[in-house]
Amino acid sequence: EIVLTQSPGTLSLSPGERATLSCRASQSISSSHLAWYQQRIGQAPRLLIYGASTRANDIPARFSGSGSGTDFTLTISRLEPEDFAVYYCKQYGSSPWAFGQGTRVEIK
Amino acid sequence: EVQLVESGGDLVQPGGSLKLSCAASGFIFTSYWMSWVRQAPGKGPEWVANIRQDGSEIYYADSVKGRFTISRDNTKKSVYLQMSSLRAEDTAVYYCVVEVYWGQGTLVTVSS
Repeated sequence: EIVLTQSPGTLSLSPGERATLSCRASQSISSSHLAWYQQRIGQAPRLLIYGASTRANDIPARFSGSGSGTDFTLTISRLEPEDFAVYYCKQYGSSPWAFGQGTRVEIK
Repeated sequence: EVQLVESGGDLVQPGGSLKLSCAASGFIFTSYWMSWVRQAPGKGPEWVANIRQDGSEIYYADSVKGRFTISRDNTKKSVYLQMSSLRAEDTAVYYCVVEVYWGQGTLVTVSS
């Protein structure tokens, strides 16, 4: 069973700053099956990145994903006010699926 | 455009049963595994179950194994989650998921 560990748990940054979120897997996973989601309070998770690095439709270019094997990264190049939210990674290449515990990006 | 519409969420007493439905459109339903994911209040998402395209392979999270049953009807482009012996800790928004796409969810509350 694959376990995903996200770090840090909370990221305190100011608008305009760069955010770097990490997702580490307990064993190597297929890059094709690693996704990132954003979740705002009271809303369903919103797909940002799939296949580790492919932006979903209508996702701004300031969001980018990278990584392979066991280490994956979501980068937000310049934080906008609407980007302050919780972010989850997910592996969906094999059952059971796994989610990271989330990284909260909060306004400093 | 992928659309997943869940229904069937409700308030149910502990020990009770409930069946969730998900109507899919916008993709070739018979080509994809379908899944259920849930999210308890204030918690992160938790995978619940997967079902293969033809229903021949099914997987469950340990937390629901023996109590929940996932099924699908390819003629209706629908997937279902039959839940029984419900517990307070099953309280969550339940999402129908295909690969990376989610529905808006349906709320299940288990309480007396």
